[in-house]
Amino acid sequence: DAGVTQSPTHLIKTRGQQVTLRCSPISGHKSVSWYQQVLGQGPQFIFQYYEKEERGRGNFPDRFSARQFPNYSSELNVNALLLGDSALYLCASSLGAASYEQYFGPGTRLTVT
Amino acid sequence: QKEVEQNSGPLSVPEGAIASLNCTYSDRGSQSFFWYRQYSGKSPELIMFIYSNGDKEDGRFTAQLNKASQYVSLLIRDSQPSDSATYLCAPGDMYSGGGADGLTFGKGTHLIIQP
Repeated sequence: DAGVTQSPTHLIKTRGQQVTLRCSPISGHKSVSWYQQVLGQGPQFIFQYYEKEERGRGNFPDRFSARQFPNYSSELNVNALLLGDSALYLCASSLGAASYEQYFGPGTRLTVT
Repeated sequence: QKEVEQNSGPLSVPEGAIASLNCTYSDRGSQSFFWYRQYSGKSPELIMFIYSNGDKEDGRFTAQLNKASQYVSLLIRDSQPSDSATYLCAPGDMYSGGGADGLTFGKGTHLIIQP
């Protein structure tokens, strides 16, 4: 079975622009979580979606938003990009909101110039 | 605020020896614990999880949990150069491995296995 997929792999944007990142979970998994990882730090939780509803949100500004589609894939949107948004954005898939194990996709490397 | 502490290293271990990675956490409500391995430039890979006090073994990996001390560790036996990576500890709550609050990760321990 395919693992978690994310697109694009790499992205370069300019300050003030908007970006959309995409994620497809493992087949059969209904929950998607998004994390931001800056160099030298562990991943930091942004959102969790389950059955198309937001179930959790980390300490990120409103410039960050997400949604989940009927096929359980998800998009993360970031508006008004700042230099500090440069990071590896990770999508994690799990069976459900109450599932214990989360499996990460390969990530999207976002560079803001 | 949940906190997870790990020694950032680098931790240098000779090939064939036992590597011991430690993690302390602040949230007494944490009931599940996850160890991820992350190679440079790659995403985290789940390698172990443990829910109960004591030891859990999986191949060369052993996770040890002491909830009273709020301490979890990962032992890697017969360390190989391919084990060189950053190891991330992440506690989760009782009813979800991350769920509404997500997983809280430590900064990770950089492990180097010397041939």
